Amino acid sequence: DTEVTQTPKHLVMGMTNKKSLKCEQHMGHRAMYWYKQKAKKPPELMFVYSYEKLSINESVPSRFSPECPNSSLLNLHLHALQPEDSALYLCASSRGGFEGEKLFFGSGTQLSVL
Amino acid sequence: DAKTTQPNSMESNEEEPVHLPCNHSTISGTDYIHWYRQLPSQGPEYVIHGLTSNVNNRMASLAIAEDRKSSTLILHRATLRDAAVYYCIQQTGANSKLTFGKGITLSVRP
Repeated sequence: DTEVTQTPKHLVMGMTNKKSLKCEQHMGHRAMYWYKQKAKKPPELMFVYSYEKLSINESVPSRFSPECPNSSLLNLHLHALQPEDSALYLCASSRGGFEGEKLFFGSGTQLSVL
Repeated sequence: DAKTTQPNSMESNEEEPVHLPCNHSTISGTDYIHWYRQLPSQGPEYVIHGLTSNVNNRMASLAIAEDRKSSTLILHRATLRDAAVYYCIQQTGANSKLTFGKGITLSVRP
């Protein structure tokens, strides 16, 4: 199984809503990532978890709250988002979070904030 | 910050080889070069990566210049399914963080 599964595939939310994005992998990977991609732009790194600990936060606003409950799961909790947060949110995983590793990406969650 | 430069776009013909160039003039000795591609409505997909030597896999070949300041991704026979945005990424630091640049859009003509 070399898949990274993201749910939901599409999400529409209001600015006062609280929602969560979910990511799951069963490859035994110990590093997981959240990227954000605006239309026609490259993906931008948000967070990296390595061995269930947050290792990189790219100065992401606090309205985005990541969580790694175990080595297979990664969540992104969303609260009080703005319309400019509308984007494709991509999850990825890799073996251990070390240099030279390849990343496996999910298909993403397309988020629209109204 | 993205450290690589690529042309914005390239066109190729189906079943012909494609050479996608990338410059990474600030590369240091421990930085890896990665290539990913992204098809419409999908997440990025790993293509190939290397450190110093040329690399081959079932998808492509990676030719790295001797001074490591540039590299070329080679698709040996382009198909219509290879039409995508190809990202060349210089991986810096002792972790697997990837910082994507703008990428090159490859179009394949039938």
